Amino acid sequence: DAMVIQNPRYQVTQFGKPVTLSCSQTLNHNVMYWYQQKSSQAPKLLFHYYDKDFNNEADTPDNFQSRRPNTSFCFLDIRSPGLGDAAMYLCATSRGASAYNEQFFGPGTRLTVL
Amino acid sequence: DQQVKQNSPSLSVQEGRISILNCDYTNSMFDYFLWYKKYPAEGPTFLISISSIKDKNEDGRFTVFLNKSAKHLSLHIVPSQPGDSAVYFCAASAVIIQGAQKLVFGQGTRLTINP
Repeated sequence: DAMVIQNPRYQVTQFGKPVTLSCSQTLNHNVMYWYQQKSSQAPKLLFHYYDKDFNNEADTPDNFQSRRPNTSFCFLDIRSPGLGDAAMYLCATSRGASAYNEQFFGPGTRLTVL
Repeated sequence: DQQVKQNSPSLSVQEGRISILNCDYTNSMFDYFLWYKKYPAEGPTFLISISSIKDKNEDGRFTVFLNKSAKHLSLHIVPSQPGDSAVYFCAASAVIIQGAQKLVFGQGTRLTINP
């Protein structure tokens, strides 16, 4: 089945130790998004790729970066995780080109920072 | 500055009755509104949507109502079933760079359907 896959599902890292979260999709969608969801809060968009073009939200900390080496894969890099970065990270994709394209979400990666 | 708000963190409804989930927004530029459903250990899945030019959209047991003057939308589920127990997120959409869709989410409402 076509889907959005996130690995790992659970990630534990130490304060300040770089960590990379992975997302892959078999939908061949143009757009890939990364959201951060802290406990009992709304998912918040960090950035998105439209094909190879990267678009950062204005309030996304510099600590967060992303790479999209090809259509199928997108990575979220957290250079120096702090305790406040512990959250669920959701990857989503959409066909793009219209505000009415459904976003398909992966199951998320729960990040714990010790 | 929370542009989309779901003021009820939880809701409990008897099976067979109507569930009504509410959502308020502040930004008049939003042109499309969506509801997502999330089960534990899964990502949100799209449920139903409504364009800002409409005031109602129905899909089976699910109906979304939009009141633009009040900046309010609601999701009605009737009749409610145990499988509807999940977290429901309201989201509002505005087109951003290159036609990609930016979703602004509410905090979610946990719906529990009691047998």
